[in-house]
Amino acid sequence: KAGVTQTPRYLIKTRGQQVTLSCSPISGHRSVSWYQQTPGQGLQFLFEYFSETQRNKGNFPGRFSGRQFSNSRSEMNVSTLELGDSALYLCASTRLSGGDYEQYFGPGTRLTVT
Amino acid sequence: GDSVTQMEGPVTLSEEAFLTINCTYTATGYPSLFWYVQYPGEGLQLLLKATKADDKGSNKGFEATYRKETTSFHLEKGSVQVSDSAVYFCALTNTGGFKTIFGAGTRLFVKA
Repeated sequence: KAGVTQTPRYLIKTRGQQVTLSCSPISGHRSVSWYQQTPGQGLQFLFEYFSETQRNKGNFPGRFSGRQFSNSRSEMNVSTLELGDSALYLCASTRLSGGDYEQYFGPGTRLTVT
Repeated sequence: GDSVTQMEGPVTLSEEAFLTINCTYTATGYPSLFWYVQYPGEGLQLLLKATKADDKGSNKGFEATYRKETTSFHLEKGSVQVSDSAVYFCALTNTGGFKTIFGAGTRLFVKA
């Protein structure tokens, strides 16, 4: 079974630009969550989508947005990039079985803002 | 709100030494608890989990027991290997959503 895939793996953008990251969850998983990982703040929750609806949202500015498609693939968008947005962005898909759940993470997209 | 606190690193051990990484949590309700491992340049891998009090999660020689009375989920391994060098994250997830709260991570170095 294929794991969670994220594209691109690496990205360099200039301050003020916008960026779109993509995540394909494990087949059959309908929940996709996004996290930002930085050395200073650690792993922080951005948002979670289930069946094309955002169910949970972390404490990030409105420049960070996302969406999910009918095939469960998800994208996140960051507009007006700032230097502080440089981070590893991780996507996770969730397996839910009888009330128990596990998150499976992709390899991440490393975004560098210059 | 919910939070996870784990011991600061880095932790440096010799091969075959005993490992303990402390983790405590604050949460409402009955969270599920996890340990994830991150190798250099990679994403997170689920190492083990426990979903209720007194459950013991185990995998690849690592163990952790869900202690509700002390709100702890310490990671242990009896004999570490060089290949265990990585960053370890303690985490919790509460029911009703799919938001995971992570600790700051503990970097482990194992010397041959």
